[in-house]
Amino acid sequence: DAKTTQPNSMESNEEEPVHLPCNHSTISGTDYIHWYRQLPSQGPEYVIHGLTSNVNNRMASLAIAEDRKSSTLILHRATLRDAAVYYCILRESQMNRDDKIIFGKGTRLHILP
Amino acid sequence: AAGVIQSPRHLIKEKRETATLKCYPISRHDTVYWYQQGPGQDPQFLISFYEKMQSDKGSIPDRFSAQQFSDYHSELNMSSLELGDSALYFCASSETSFPDTQYFGPGTRLTVL
Repeated sequence: DAKTTQPNSMESNEEEPVHLPCNHSTISGTDYIHWYRQLPSQGPEYVIHGLTSNVNNRMASLAIAEDRKSSTLILHRATLRDAAVYYCILRESQMNRDDKIIFGKGTRLHILP
Repeated sequence: AAGVIQSPRHLIKEKRETATLKCYPISRHDTVYWYQQGPGQDPQFLISFYEKMQSDKGSIPDRFSAQQFSDYHSELNMSSLELGDSALYFCASSETSFPDTQYFGPGTRLTVL
């Protein structure tokens, strides 16, 4: 499986934007980039996914490099509730019912009030 | 809409006892995944089911078994419990249509004494 590399931890001030980087230099052409996050004492939750173009949803934005070897999850205005571990995950685009999620180390995001 | 339901939320067992964890997927979701998260660790895939058949298997001990029933709920059976089985157990469900986003339950915290 293609691997991802993320910083162990990051800090940000409340109400400021946060940019969470992810490197995936061995990404294949059929891999989608997914982000999940896990808030304290909760199960992981889906945040966003993309293939080549930048993506926006109500939770975040995903900026994907032109060569697709890196991506950045953007939280436009962090709140204390955004403190969580953020996982960058590659998943194949083909419909594969064995498509378990392989969680890497993720980035622990601390939000400072 | 109701999310993934897991029961019980907390379970305390003695060594060598058995435990059964239950998972009720989101309505119309036909795939169920089980993950184990040890203290301070990232979630690790155990096993998955699609349409009541085992579809993939990860690092699940032989002492554990699981199945998916006709109503799509799933049970994880754990026997001869060991201290190292103490962990959070998450169930996730998804539809088979891409991007088959996985929706996680709140988890069952198992403590083995």
